[in-house]
Amino acid sequence: TQLLEQSPQFLSIQEGENLTVYCNSSSVFSSLQWYRQEPGEGPVLLVTVVTGGEVKKLKRLTFQFGDARKDSSLHITAAQPGDTGLYLCAGAHNQGGKLIFGQGTELSVKP
Amino acid sequence: DADVTQTPRNRITKTGKRIMLECSQTKGHDRMYWYRQDPGLGLRLIYYSFDVKDINKGEISDGYSVSRQAQAKFSLSLESAIPNQTALYFCATSESGGTLLSTDTQYFGPGTRLTVL
Repeated sequence: TQLLEQSPQFLSIQEGENLTVYCNSSSVFSSLQWYRQEPGEGPVLLVTVVTGGEVKKLKRLTFQFGDARKDSSLHITAAQPGDTGLYLCAGAHNQGGKLIFGQGTELSVKP
Repeated sequence: DADVTQTPRNRITKTGKRIMLECSQTKGHDRMYWYRQDPGLGLRLIYYSFDVKDINKGEISDGYSVSRQAQAKFSLSLESAIPNQTALYFCATSESGGTLLSTDTQYFGPGTRLTVL
């Protein structure tokens, strides 16, 4: 059972376009994280959000945690080829506990 | 030097063989995890260990076993490999006893690509 649903699973866009990736669940999470994974490497943490409604920005990336702490979104403005990779959301139910990962969104940004 | 290392990076084996994947970390973290990654399924937890004497099954532990030899070492074994265990395997670590933000963050190794023929 996939408790975290990511959409879309695949996204291919041109450089300069904007995009949004969604991460949805029926469960409430104590925190939610976004990771980015490049080919041949392990996932690397981008951001952690812990408060309902929280918005965090990382350069051209904007992360939002839903008010009810059940969903999250990642918005990329003016995508660049260097943004290409697999984006994974992951939720934690309690402090220091296991993470539950979404299926991932494979992003390809073409020059 | 990488904080979390995995050996081997690639392995091809045959059905029925016993395989061990090793993970070492220099981050000083108590908590270690083994995941497998399959296309379209994200990362699924196989086993996790919150300290040297604590081993727990994850969501897909059947066909796998683990050993926590020391705080820094966590090994995953496939006693009798089968083709549907072909996947990318990741080890990860996290700290304990810190803030919510710090304890939930996981640090991943580079992965082991395992192919079972």
